[in-house]
Formats: sequence, C-alpha cells, structure tokens
Amino acid sequence: EVQLVESGGGLVQPGGSLRLSCAASGFTFSSYDMHWVRQATGKGLEWVSEIGSAGDTYYLGSVKGRFTISRENAKNSLYLQMNSLRAGDTAVYYCARDPWGSGALDIWGQGTMVTVSS
Amino acid sequence: QSVLTQPPSASGTPGQRVTISCSGSSSNIGSNTVNWYQQLPGTAPKLLMYSNNQRPSGVPDRFSGSKSGTSASLAISGLQSEDEADYYCAAWDESLNGFWVFGGGTKLTVL
Repeated sequence: EVQLVESGGGLVQPGGSLRLSCAASGFTFSSYDMHWVRQATGKGLEWVSEIGSAGDTYYLGSVKGRFTISRENAKNSLYLQMNSLRAGDTAVYYCARDPWGSGALDIWGQGTMVTVSS
Repeated sequence: QSVLTQPPSASGTPGQRVTISCSGSSSNIGSNTVNWYQQLPGTAPKLLMYSNNQRPSGVPDRFSGSKSGTSASLAISGLQSEDEADYYCAAWDESLNGFWVFGGGTKLTVL
C-alpha cells in the first residue's frame, strides 16, 4: 500500500526548533518530488516546501532561511527541519508526493500538528 | 489574502450542477496548469483534478475542470451528499523565484 506517515510534531516555544519526518512506503521514494504543506486550524492550505528527486529545493518566502527540507532515500524518508519557530507556524503539517513534478500531489500523509506557543 | 481567489462558499441540492471558480493572474494560472483538491472534514486533502482537466484514477466523471486565461473552474454535476467538502485550487506562481500557491478554499454545502 502506498503510504506516507508524518511524525515529530508537538508543542514548542517561540524561537525553538522541531524536526518533522515523513516515512514513505509502497513506492520508489527516490523517484518522486516531495512536498510539505501546512494548514492552520480552520484555515486553508499553504504550501511550505518542495524537494525534487534530484535534491533541488524550494521554499515559501516566509520560511526561507528558517526551514530546511531534506530527504534520505536509503531510509525512504523526508524531513523538515524548522528553526526560529513563530506562532504563525502553528499548523498541521502534511507531507505529499508529487508524481509528475507538476505540483499535483497525489498521496498525502495524515498530518502532524505543530504548536508554537509559550 | 490568498494569491488565488475562490468564493468562500457554494451550495446546491442533490442532482444539481455546481461550479467553483478560481481566479489568479498572469504569473500563476495565466502561465501554468491548475490542480484541484477535495478535503473532507477531518481528513487530508485528496487530488481531484490535475493539469486543468485531468482526473486521477478513481475520481468520478461527475467532476470536471477547465481553464481560460487567468481563471479556472471546477464543475460538479449530479451533486451528491458526499461531495460536501472544502475544495482548493492550486498552481505554480512564477513571481519571487517561484512557489506553489493555493486558493483560499471553497466550502461546498449540499442542501
């Protein structure tokens, strides 16, 4: 079964750091572009970051310099290192697969909640 | 304020046809394809339409997509109660070194 499972969310103080993980299974992870998308409670979807199969990376302007996306193909895993966290980063974070490199995200994880609060 | 503009709500009765619009600009919809997602309450989004009008496997042909200029639309015909959900459009935006943008979402209510 094709599946993505996120982990690593939690409560962190403003200015703190958190590392999200996304475990992939059921497909050749190394061949796919991967994304992180977030959703604040009661709000819409917001794209955060993308990493291509070749390792090229892209970021939302408000997280550039604070977040780092990476992948470890040998472990079928995607990561999002989040530093200097702000209250505005509070959201459910989803990882998603991009089969055509076109931003059409066909497989999503269940999401992991990140809460930034003192 | 989202880069792509969608009506916050839409509604219809079972069997009706409803359309959800998504308005953008030359830097996003005007020069790139549009994808649509459906999000049922409490669940992760699901890809509903890609490349403007292509349905992934398993999506009923009641759903159709179109694009013209800097706007796109998602049409749902033969509306069913299980179609009640939030719908989001998305596209690549070429400004500011490029980034993916979503619409603000449209909550569809089946009356």
